[in-house]
Amino acid sequence: DVKVTQSSRYLVKRTGEKVFLECVQDMDHENMFWYRQDPGLGLRLIYFSYDVKMKEKGDIPEGYSVSREKKERFSLILESASTNQTSMYLCASSRPGGETQYFGPGTRLLVL
Amino acid sequence: GENVEQHPSTLSVQEGDSAVIKCTYSDSASNYFPWYKQELGKGPQLIIDIRSNVGEKKDQRIAVTLNKTAKHFSLHITETQPEDSAVYFCAAILNTGGFKTIFGAGTRLFVKA
Repeated sequence: DVKVTQSSRYLVKRTGEKVFLECVQDMDHENMFWYRQDPGLGLRLIYFSYDVKMKEKGDIPEGYSVSREKKERFSLILESASTNQTSMYLCASSRPGGETQYFGPGTRLLVL
Repeated sequence: GENVEQHPSTLSVQEGDSAVIKCTYSDSASNYFPWYKQELGKGPQLIIDIRSNVGEKKDQRIAVTLNKTAKHFSLHITETQPEDSAVYFCAAILNTGGFKTIFGAGTRLFVKA
């Protein structure tokens, strides 16, 4: 059964802190994604990766970076957290050329 | 680029009634349209999809229709049940490698028992 896990369900951080969100998938998928989910805005793509050490910017990459050192793991980094980054963060994975994305349960981040 | 609009943002129905959620897309080259359901505390999960060469697809109580000319597609849920209560997202994909999925803003469906 397909499984995407995220390191934390809830996270509280202070403005200016460096924040790491981890995502692990066990399906041997090449593609991995980070989205941000806000009410009324749907899911917005932050970054995606189609291979180890490869990354591409999505629609809202500002203030974020990513790391993919291993195929199964995709990390989202907030270099200096700000209050406008308070949101739900969703990780997803898919096969190469696969249209179906498999999502993790999400991390709800609060930046004070 | 592609843009997907979804309506309504909130929908409340009585158990047993039907629910319809509508989406429109802007890029006529989009060719794959999935629907995701997000239950409380979980990530979105694919429930049904349709390709641009098909007008309608059905899976038990849920169905999706696509009108390519008008560039809109809809999700239909019949005989709604309380467990259908969730947030539903439509999406459009331009399949040039499957990387870019554009999601609608979501519809929160309440099914009242």
